[in-house]
Amino acid sequence: DVKVTQSSRYLVKRTGEKVFLECVQDMDHENMFWYRQDPGLGLRLIYFSYDVKMKEKGDIPEGYSVSREKKERFSLILESASTNQTSMYLCASRLRGLAPSYNEQFFGPGTRLTVL
Amino acid sequence: ELKVEQNPLFLSMQEGKNYTIYCNYSTTSDRLYWYRQDPGKSLESLFVLLSNGAVKQEGRLMASLDTKARLSTLHITAAVHDLSATYFCAVTSGTYKYIFGTGTRLKVLA
Repeated sequence: DVKVTQSSRYLVKRTGEKVFLECVQDMDHENMFWYRQDPGLGLRLIYFSYDVKMKEKGDIPEGYSVSREKKERFSLILESASTNQTSMYLCASRLRGLAPSYNEQFFGPGTRLTVL
Repeated sequence: ELKVEQNPLFLSMQEGKNYTIYCNYSTTSDRLYWYRQDPGKSLESLFVLLSNGAVKQEGRLMASLDTKARLSTLHITAAVHDLSATYFCAVTSGTYKYIFGTGTRLKVLA
């Protein structure tokens, strides 16, 4: 079974703090993703990494950065946390797609971040 | 821009009843996913639909895909309380982007 783990289930931080969210997968997947989930908005892609040290901006990258130094680990960084970054953050991974692969994503348990 | 719309957003139904959740998307996509999310939990993959006319079934859930109509349905047969959750559909856009619907919150009443 694919396992995707996230470092914290719940996190409370103060405005202006630097925040690190860690994600680790154990199935040697090339691709990893960070999403945030907000009520009524579904999941929105923040960043995507298609391989080690490679990254692409998603739909809402502002205020975030990422790091992928090892294949199994993908970190999301909030450089200076703000209250509008209070959200549920979900990490996902998948194999690099080759037809007819269906590129199924496997999600971690999520980190609920509150910024005060 | 690819958009995905689900309806209804909220669904309250009696145990034993049937119902359908609809997922419309705005431009062509070569695959569609259905996920389930329990409160406070992450997303669990239910179905992957790859081609027009694809139908997949697991227990009381059946998903289908009509690529010409850009429509997928998730049909619930004889609902039970354990099916209470939020259901998301998602389509791929390009090589790595997934566009998610806003979700349908299903509550099955005993």
